[in-house]
Amino acid sequence: DTEVTQTPKHLVMGMTNKKSLKCEQHMGHRAMYWYKQKAKKPPELMFVYSYEKLSINESVPSRFSPECPNSSLLNLHLHALQPEDSALYLCASSLSLLLSPLHFGNGTRLTVT
Amino acid sequence: QQPVQSPQAVILREGEDAVINCSSSKALYSVHWYRQKHGEAPVFLMILLKGGEQKGHDKISASFNEKKQQSSLYLTASQLSYSGTYFCGTEEGTGGFKTIFGAGTRLFVKA
Repeated sequence: DTEVTQTPKHLVMGMTNKKSLKCEQHMGHRAMYWYKQKAKKPPELMFVYSYEKLSINESVPSRFSPECPNSSLLNLHLHALQPEDSALYLCASSLSLLLSPLHFGNGTRLTVT
Repeated sequence: QQPVQSPQAVILREGEDAVINCSSSKALYSVHWYRQKHGEAPVFLMILLKGGEQKGHDKISASFNEKKQQSSLYLTASQLSYSGTYFCGTEEGTGGFKTIFGAGTRLFVKA
């Protein structure tokens, strides 16, 4: 069982749609992350939040917009995505930003049509 | 900068041993190891925080050579449940504190 919960598990959206991915953790972790993973590839870092503030944006296109409403929640807002954005989106959290293991959610499988 | 993992893939029979290597050209704060089974999320195995540190978890252990910026994951007496893709993740501290994953090593253990 994962202590990081992601919803939805699967999402199919058109290129003109707007959708959001949600992530929740109740472990008291102060760092939260979005990773993108393509098939047979490693997780690729997108965003890092520390104490609810955006710490790192790995030059992600603006059609991906992260939000951290509070220390337990992390959202990823999606707009005007491209088919190549189809991937598994993983949320993770860690106790602190450095030297802490990452706890991953089960991911959202996104398909852009 | 993405760490380099080797080998890319390993096939073992139950009971055999394997070593997976991870190296970086940058000075590292730490090395993480994760295992991901097909269709599942990566699961944390262990973190090595300082040079020369070795950690063990059941029959899986790891070492970190700070001078060479290399880490190795040792799987002894492999079990079927060890099958999956192993990723090392490194924390460099440049460009912000973040964990960057190597390309992964696919391990298959057969009976």
